[in-house]
Amino acid sequence: GAVVSQHPSRVICKSGTSVKIECRSLDFQATTMFWYRQFPKQSLMLMATSNEGSKATYEQGVEKDKFLINHASLTLSTLTVASAHPEDSSFYICSARDVQKRSNQPQHFGDGTRLSIL
Amino acid sequence: AQTVTQSQPEMSVQEAETVTLSCTYDTSESDYYLFWYKQPPSRQMILVIRQEAYKQQNATENRFSVNFQKAAKSFSLKISDSQLGDAAMYFCAYFNNNDMRFGAGTRLTVKP
Repeated sequence: GAVVSQHPSRVICKSGTSVKIECRSLDFQATTMFWYRQFPKQSLMLMATSNEGSKATYEQGVEKDKFLINHASLTLSTLTVASAHPEDSSFYICSARDVQKRSNQPQHFGDGTRLSIL
Repeated sequence: AQTVTQSQPEMSVQEAETVTLSCTYDTSESDYYLFWYKQPPSRQMILVIRQEAYKQQNATENRFSVNFQKAAKSFSLKISDSQLGDAAMYFCAYFNNNDMRFGAGTRLTVKP
């Protein structure tokens, strides 16, 4: 079945470091990918919608300059947390929409990235 | 904006018993999809069951079934013969036109 690979699964770094998270669709093309943030014991909150070849659409309250999204190909979207601080520590999940819609799911989720900023 | 409400932060069920998780949503659309996702401690998002709004018949997947009430905008999940491996967070989700929204989640505990 369709698989989305998210890397890295865990990041621990110092405050001020920029962190890049990759989201790849392994066996399908994804013109649209989504980035979610999940705090402990809370739900997934959509941060932005990433469209291949164009600018991402950010949800209200999400800082564009802090969370940089690049969707340069049909199989790869990246989220860069610029100059990360402890309050950016969270669980980040990406998902990808299969252009051909071959699955019973509208989006396929990555396994997430746990980001810890010291 | 579409909203999804799960009013039960936590639920508990005895192994082999049945439990129902509640979900309501708000939308002005007539065509959409509803989902239940399971998120175990590994944090993976696992699709449990899906329902198309245009279908009147309730979806079923083995021990999992839904009670979809479109007029009431209600979408509950019933888990029969509960197993220890069913313990997880369960999220109800609404999807329409590239937009997926999640409820706050229900933490299900299964007692042996």
